[in-house]
Amino acid sequence: EVQLVESGGGLVRPGGSLRLSCAASGFTFSSYTMTWVRQAPGKGLEWVSSISGGSSYIYYADSLKARFTISRDNAKNSLYLQMNSLRAEDTAVYYCARDLAHSSGWHMADYWGQGTLVTVSS
Amino acid sequence: SFELTQDPAVSVALGQTVRITCQGDSLRRYYATWYQQKPGQAPVVVIYGKNNRPSGIPDRFSGSSSGNTASLTITGTQAEDEADYYCNSRDSSGNHLVFGGGTKLTVL
Repeated sequence: EVQLVESGGGLVRPGGSLRLSCAASGFTFSSYTMTWVRQAPGKGLEWVSSISGGSSYIYYADSLKARFTISRDNAKNSLYLQMNSLRAEDTAVYYCARDLAHSSGWHMADYWGQGTLVTVSS
Repeated sequence: SFELTQDPAVSVALGQTVRITCQGDSLRRYYATWYQQKPGQAPVVVIYGKNNRPSGIPDRFSGSSSGNTASLTITGTQAEDEADYYCNSRDSSGNHLVFGGGTKLTVL
C-alpha cells in the first residue's frame, strides 16, 4: 500500500525557517517524481515544487523559487522541503504527492499524504 | 503567467448532470487532470488524460476537452459528490504545474 506521511509543520515566526519531510512507503520511491502542493486556509491548491526520481530535474513555482528548496534522499525514501524567510502568506497545509506522467501528455498526482500545517505568525 | 480558470461555484440537483469547466491556453497542448477534494481531506484524482478514471472512481465521472477548455461532467450526481473540484495541468514549458482556482459543487 502506498503511503506518504508528512511531518515538520508547526508554528514559526515571520522570517524563520522550517524543513518539511515526507516519508514514503509501498512503492519504489526512486522511480517517481515527487511534488509538494500547498493549500492556504479556505483557499485553493497551489503547486510548490517537483523533483524527479534521481533529482536531476527540479522545478519551483516562480514566486517561491528564491526561498524554498526541494530535495530527496532515495536511500531513506524521503522527500524534503526547506522553507526559508517564511511569510504570513506561506501559512498553509503542505501536501506531498507522488507524480505520474505519460508520454501522451497526461499527468497526475496519484497519491497524496494527509498534509502538514505550517503557520507563520508572530 | 499561466492560468487555469474555473467557475468558483456550481450547483446541481440530486440525480442531474453537471459540467465543470476549466479554461487555459496550455490545455490546447496538455490534458487536464481533475481532482475532487472534500473538507479536511487530501485531493483525489477523478479524471486524468483524455478521459480516464482511476480505479474506484464511479463511471458517472467523465472528462472531455475542446480547444482551450477542459470539462468534468458528473452524470446522475450523488450527494457524496458535493466537494471542491480542481483542474490541473502543465504550463507551456511543460515543467511547471498549475491548478485552477477550484469549483465548489453544491448538490441540492
